Amino acid sequence: QKEVEQDPGPLSVPEGAIVSLNCTYSNSAFQYFMWYRQYSRKGPELLMYTYSSGNKEDGRFTAQVDKSSKYISLFIRDSQPSDSATYLCAMGTNAGKSTFGDGTTLTVKP
Amino acid sequence: EADIYQTPRYLVIGTGKKITLECSQTMGHDKMYWYQQDPGMELHLIHYSYGVNSTEKGDLSSESTVSRIRTEHFPLTLESARPSHTSQYLCASSDGRRSSYNEQFFGPGTRLTVL
Repeated sequence: QKEVEQDPGPLSVPEGAIVSLNCTYSNSAFQYFMWYRQYSRKGPELLMYTYSSGNKEDGRFTAQVDKSSKYISLFIRDSQPSDSATYLCAMGTNAGKSTFGDGTTLTVKP
Repeated sequence: EADIYQTPRYLVIGTGKKITLECSQTMGHDKMYWYQQDPGMELHLIHYSYGVNSTEKGDLSSESTVSRIRTEHFPLTLESARPSHTSQYLCASSDGRRSSYNEQFFGPGTRLTVL
């Protein structure tokens, strides 16, 4: 069993929809939780980072961490065609070891 | 935008050739990484470095080698390229003062094709 499991997708939504991307994990040592966005044929770009539990909001993006359930989510409000990309969750320990999910590909249709 | 650069962006080369993929960052980050990623597939860590003269193998076995002679520079070398090395290679860096190295900044990638 992988330490990080990400909803596989692909996900296709109409423009303006609210998108929910999710990951679960098994390692209790994870304290840092990241979301990356990767456009086709590009490197991943760090979108959001959260330490421990709670919510973090940045514009249309909200990251949620529930350590009791070992579950993290990224919500995208008012989704745009430019949000079409692969989204990777990643989790890390205090020792600096990060583990990435396999990614969920999102398509937002105009 | 992250200041991490990779050259070349695309490389098509014949079997048996020696190649070096370049990666440089101007952010002063101490930790650097190399990942391999096939299209639509997950990231595989192949090498990382905590600083000058430090290199470690990652989770995925690779025939490539790396060196870290300068903080900002982390090249990857394949002594004899084979078609099985065809993939995208991504370089990344992180700073131990930020989230214990967990926030990684990626370069644009080098897409390698070995004929």
